[in-house]
Amino acid sequence: DGGITQSPKYLFRKEGQNVTLSCEQNLNHDAMYWYRQDPGQGLRLIYYSQIVNDFQKGDIAEGYSVSREKKESFPLTVTSAQKNPTAFYLCASSIVAAGYEQYFGPGTRLTVT
Amino acid sequence: DAKTTQPNSMESNEEEPVHLPCNHSTISGTDYIHWYRQLPSQGPEYVIHGLTSNVNNRMASLAIAEDRKSSTLILHRATLRDAAVYYCILREEGSSNTGKLIFGQGTTLQVKP
Repeated sequence: DGGITQSPKYLFRKEGQNVTLSCEQNLNHDAMYWYRQDPGQGLRLIYYSQIVNDFQKGDIAEGYSVSREKKESFPLTVTSAQKNPTAFYLCASSIVAAGYEQYFGPGTRLTVT
Repeated sequence: DAKTTQPNSMESNEEEPVHLPCNHSTISGTDYIHWYRQLPSQGPEYVIHGLTSNVNNRMASLAIAEDRKSSTLILHRATLRDAAVYYCILREEGSSNTGKLIFGQGTTLQVKP
């Protein structure tokens, strides 16, 4: 089955530790995205990548980093510089960036204490 | 990025039609109207999109006002599985588009048996 996988579903970390969230897609999509969602709020864009080896900051990139070494993978690192890292993180992909629907993964709920 | 306004919540009875409104008075000529929905603790799911004409697909219908300043998502027969947060999003289509989706708070739809 084609789709987007995110792992793990729940993640717990101590404050001050970096943590990397996994996102893999087998849809052969060029574009991939990371969003953050806080309780009762809509999604906000962290980073996006329109093609392999290229990515751009979204609206709330501070404290996060990404890489796009393979078409199917777009991992997100939440660094210790992110002041409020506890949130629901969603990865998405689309065929190309312009004008196509986005397919979302199931999300990773990160809790930092 | 153009803004949309949606009611915070709506209720519906199972097997009845549901009309979810969205106002977008500052929409530009190149903005497409997209709808996504998000079930609890899941990633958003694409529902439908349109530009000027009404659109139908297997999930829903989209009715767009003649002046394009408002639109309505129509679920023809609500089921309990349609209980979700529905987001109305404006996207500028074209090669310069990054694919970024601007999520508001959406409308929480409750479906009563």
